[in-house]
Amino acid sequence: NAGVTQTPKFRVLKTGQSMTLLCAQDMNHEYMYWYRQDPGMGLRLIHYSVGEGTTAKGEVPDGYNVSRLKKQNFLLGLESAAPSQTSVYFCASRSGTGNYGYTFGSGTRLTVV
Amino acid sequence: GESVGLHLPTLSVQEGDNSIINCAYSNSASDYFIWYKQESGKGPQFIIDIRSNMDKRQGQRVTVLLNKTVKHLSLQIAATQPGDSAVYFCAEIGTTGRRALTFGSGTRLQVQP
Repeated sequence: NAGVTQTPKFRVLKTGQSMTLLCAQDMNHEYMYWYRQDPGMGLRLIHYSVGEGTTAKGEVPDGYNVSRLKKQNFLLGLESAAPSQTSVYFCASRSGTGNYGYTFGSGTRLTVV
Repeated sequence: GESVGLHLPTLSVQEGDNSIINCAYSNSASDYFIWYKQESGKGPQFIIDIRSNMDKRQGQRVTVLLNKTVKHLSLQIAATQPGDSAVYFCAEIGTTGRRALTFGSGTRLQVQP
């Protein structure tokens, strides 16, 4: 049981490049979330999904897109990376049955130069 | 390099002492609160939770206190150990359908041997 797996773990992008971060969970969780964490701050919600085929914006969605084509995967895309998107990105999932036991991935450290 | 907690307030305690970490939350409508521990290079790790209809909950070596009047949470760690050194975040969950976590800004706990 791997829990929540994020790939890649590290990435350096040039300004204007695009990339996709993958989050995969094997717990059959309904809810999935993407957060970013900047130095000295708590995690902030980018986008989330309450089930396969659904996505919605969080607090800081600008510059990102997401897709949830399969229940187990939640993809975060950066179409044109900017230095302000340098951050550590965390994915989380949880069951939708009233249990608030979130499971977090180990993070993706992204640097945009 | 570490990207978490560069400018966080720091609590320094001696091994064996008790630690108290405080947190002010923002939404008076939040009905669920969680304390997380985050070590360098890792995702948040669940410590203890509490519902808004409670004012105290105890776990193994940890106690969470909730004061809804002043929107304040505290985490008490008994007999602090070097392995407790990490950044600690409180998080709240509001009553909207997404049930996403809203994180506080965090406190770094340093345990001196």
